[in-house]
Amino acid sequence: GAVVSQHPSRVICKSGTSVKIECRSLDFQATTMFWYRQFPKQSLMLMATSNEGSKATYEQGVEKDKFLINHASLTLSTLTVTSAHPEDSSFYICSAILRGRGGRVGTDTQYFGPGTRLTVL
Amino acid sequence: QKEVEQNSGPLSVPEGAIASLNCTYSDRGSQSFFWYRQYSGKSPELIMFIYSNGDKEDGRFTAQLNKASQYVSLLIRDSQPSDSATYLCAVTGFNKFYFGSGTKLNVKP
Repeated sequence: GAVVSQHPSRVICKSGTSVKIECRSLDFQATTMFWYRQFPKQSLMLMATSNEGSKATYEQGVEKDKFLINHASLTLSTLTVTSAHPEDSSFYICSAILRGRGGRVGTDTQYFGPGTRLTVL
Repeated sequence: QKEVEQNSGPLSVPEGAIASLNCTYSDRGSQSFFWYRQYSGKSPELIMFIYSNGDKEDGRFTAQLNKASQYVSLLIRDSQPSDSATYLCAVTGFNKFYFGSGTKLNVKP
């Protein structure tokens, strides 16, 4: 299957600082990537859709000025948590879309990165 | 109404048994259907995808799709304790992915 990496895997920071998380598709180009957040024992929560070359689309209730997303290339999307607070502590997971072969509609597949565990002190 | 519904479980099965996980979806226009496995503290891992009605087998896993009834299921044969995880159903249509909340599976030795 396709490989998606995330860096860092774990980060601890002080309240008020900013943290950048990188998501890379290693063996394919991804025009679309997603960013999720997951709290312990809860479901995945989609935060935003990252499209290469355009602004990210944020889900309702997600502050775009707090969670900055940049999809600078076909293999890299970054999420920056600005002015982090303890309530931002969570498991952040990115995913990348591998487009279906031959242009068949509806055959896109989503592959997840390993996640980044953020702890804000 | 949620786009994708799953029983949260936990579903408990003895080792060696068949585990049956079910998922229903609301959008008849949905085109692709996926099963992901998520271990505690880890990110989801793709197990199988299915596009057409019927069964698709891959090793101990079989995905079943019934578009008329709008459900998709995952069967795990010869369940192992290592299969204990949360299984997420995902459905796509027009570049949008919808996830169920997941079913927790416990395979007892």
